[in-house]
Amino acid sequence: KQEVTQIPAALSVPEGENLVLNCSFTDSAIYNLQWFRQDPGKGLTSLLLIQSSQREQTSGRLNASLDKSSGRSTLYIAASQPGDSATYLCAVRGQSGGGADGLTFGKGTHLIIQP
Amino acid sequence: DGGITQSPKYLFRKEGQNVTLSCEQNLNHDAMYWYRQDPGQGLRLIYYSQIVNDFQKGDIAEGYSVSREKKESFPLTVTSAQKNPTAFYLCASRETYNSPLHFGNGTRLTVT
Repeated sequence: KQEVTQIPAALSVPEGENLVLNCSFTDSAIYNLQWFRQDPGKGLTSLLLIQSSQREQTSGRLNASLDKSSGRSTLYIAASQPGDSATYLCAVRGQSGGGADGLTFGKGTHLIIQP
Repeated sequence: DGGITQSPKYLFRKEGQNVTLSCEQNLNHDAMYWYRQDPGQGLRLIYYSQIVNDFQKGDIAEGYSVSREKKESFPLTVTSAQKNPTAFYLCASRETYNSPLHFGNGTRLTVT
């Protein structure tokens, strides 16, 4: 069964720092991996989707990488801002062993950017 | 703007009553999903539908029911059989299996 782990569960850093969020998964047979952010009381906003054939995706100050063989993905946030404060979740779409539709979510990293 | 609309944002019900949560999308997506989010537990899949008039149970379907009569609509009914219905409910959709998943803003249901 696919398991997705996000460490740390919470992170607090000063504004302006570059930071890395981690996502690890146990089964490397995946179709893709998606990063989301969730603001309090809101739905999930899609940030980046990496297909299994890709190594990374970039959007503005965000860069997500994927290493299938080691079962890891990282989300790099450059020059962090207070508006980046949110919970960041990753989700893996596996070829087998995932949820009922093949998608398994991590529990998220709660990020606080201190002004 | 295209998107997913969930209504209402907050819903309060007495124990023993059925309640229906609305989810409408204008993205022309075939697949739609219902998730439940509880503190510390992450997202859990309740039901999903790949196409109109067809749907499958997710990981925690007991006590819930859905219908998919129109492509743009996927309502979720929380029945009195659901033991712990108080939660944050999220609806999502995607275009194809390899496409990004898009979410609505959620409905917070409180049952007392």
